Amino acid sequence: DTAVSQTPKYLVTQMGNDKSIKCEQNLGHDTMYWYKQDSKKFLKIMFSYNNKELIINETVPNRFSPKSPDKAHLNLHINSLELGDSAVYFCASSQPSAAGPAGNTIYFGEGSWLTVV
Amino acid sequence: AQKVTQAQTEISVVEKEDVTLDCVYETRDTTYYLFWYKQPPSGELVFLIRRNSFDEQNEISGRYSWNFQKSTSSFNFTITASQVVDSAVYFCALSSWAGNMLTFGGGTRLMVKP
Repeated sequence: DTAVSQTPKYLVTQMGNDKSIKCEQNLGHDTMYWYKQDSKKFLKIMFSYNNKELIINETVPNRFSPKSPDKAHLNLHINSLELGDSAVYFCASSQPSAAGPAGNTIYFGEGSWLTVV
Repeated sequence: AQKVTQAQTEISVVEKEDVTLDCVYETRDTTYYLFWYKQPPSGELVFLIRRNSFDEQNEISGRYSWNFQKSTSSFNFTITASQVVDSAVYFCALSSWAGNMLTFGGGTRLMVKP
């Protein structure tokens, strides 16, 4: 079973469209994240949720709206897609440091390749 | 603010050579975590190791070893007897003790040629 799974893996869409990427983790973690990897491979956090509550929003345009229906899911919805949104989006999850030896280790999904044309 | 620097953007070695990937970090936190992740050509991010800031013991796992030097703020990664399957982009990362986000270095692309 994949620990952190995201769908779709590949997405090609036109400018101006709205799209969503879904993420689910079966690790029982409390915290979930979205990271963006640009064309130069640079990875940067976008959002972090803990038990369905937003705790980090790293100056991401408000066209990006994460939604966490429960602590195992964190979906990313993007409105009015722009060419610059083309990137790989990684979902991830972790437990807090108090959770013992595995605490704070962030596990990533396989990535969703978004291409805006 | 936290910062991670991987000065080597690309390294090319021949199979069976040893290779060291450098990582230097900056943080004002007294306790923190350091990580290495591997991103093979298939694109996923694979967790390799997590190190706590208060534990400076070096770690070895098979052909992989990590050298953590708090005095120089470095957390270097060595692959012994490299193999073609080691070809990937390797990321060093840093998080605070609260661990609610990772700050990544720019990555080092390792190419191992047969």
